Amino acid sequence: EVQLVESGGGLVQPGGSLRLSCSASGFTFSSYWIHWVRQAPGKGLVWVSVINTDGSFTAYADSVKGRFTISRDNAQNTLYLQMNSLTAEDTAVYYCLRGEGGYYVYWGQGTLVTVSS
Amino acid sequence: DIVMTQTPLSSPVTLGQPASISCRSSQSLVHSDGNTYLSWLHQRPGLPPRLLIYKISNRFSGVPDRFSGSGAGTDFTLKISRVEAEDVGVYYCMQGTQLPWTFGQGTKVEIK
Repeated sequence: EVQLVESGGGLVQPGGSLRLSCSASGFTFSSYWIHWVRQAPGKGLVWVSVINTDGSFTAYADSVKGRFTISRDNAQNTLYLQMNSLTAEDTAVYYCLRGEGGYYVYWGQGTLVTVSS
Repeated sequence: DIVMTQTPLSSPVTLGQPASISCRSSQSLVHSDGNTYLSWLHQRPGLPPRLLIYKISNRFSGVPDRFSGSGAGTDFTLKISRVEAEDVGVYYCMQGTQLPWTFGQGTKVEIK
């Protein structure tokens, strides 16, 4: 069974940092591009970042470029999102998603990041 | 970035009646590989989204056949032939043709 389990969310002060993790199982992690998508409370879905299979390609939404860094450890089947200089606008549930070549099939519960003083 | 625009943003429907949601993209979603990566997601309150339809009209495993998708190029439609109580929630269209993948604003379906 394909599973992607996000963790690392929590309450952080404005300007602070947080590292999210996504633990994958049930499939060959190193064969898939993996994305981060977020959803602010009561709002819609917003794409955040993507990384290719070996980590040589990454892309970011303009809103997080220069502040967030996506990375992966294929040996540990784990994806990361390092988030720096956080603002209230980064408050959201963050989902990690396996790219199926144009759509997302497997959605976990996500991890909630709250940026507040 | 490709902008996805859904209409309506809210849709009160009567149980057993049909419902329809439109999604328009700011540019063609036809990929160089010939596929059109337009999908539809459904999100019930308090739950993560789930995939309903992929590549315009393909129902994902376990999705009831009252859901159907159609369209081409820049104009797409999700139809529910007879709305059931479990269909309430927010529906999103999403394009995965070009990075960044983008979502529509969401359409809230509620029972009258």
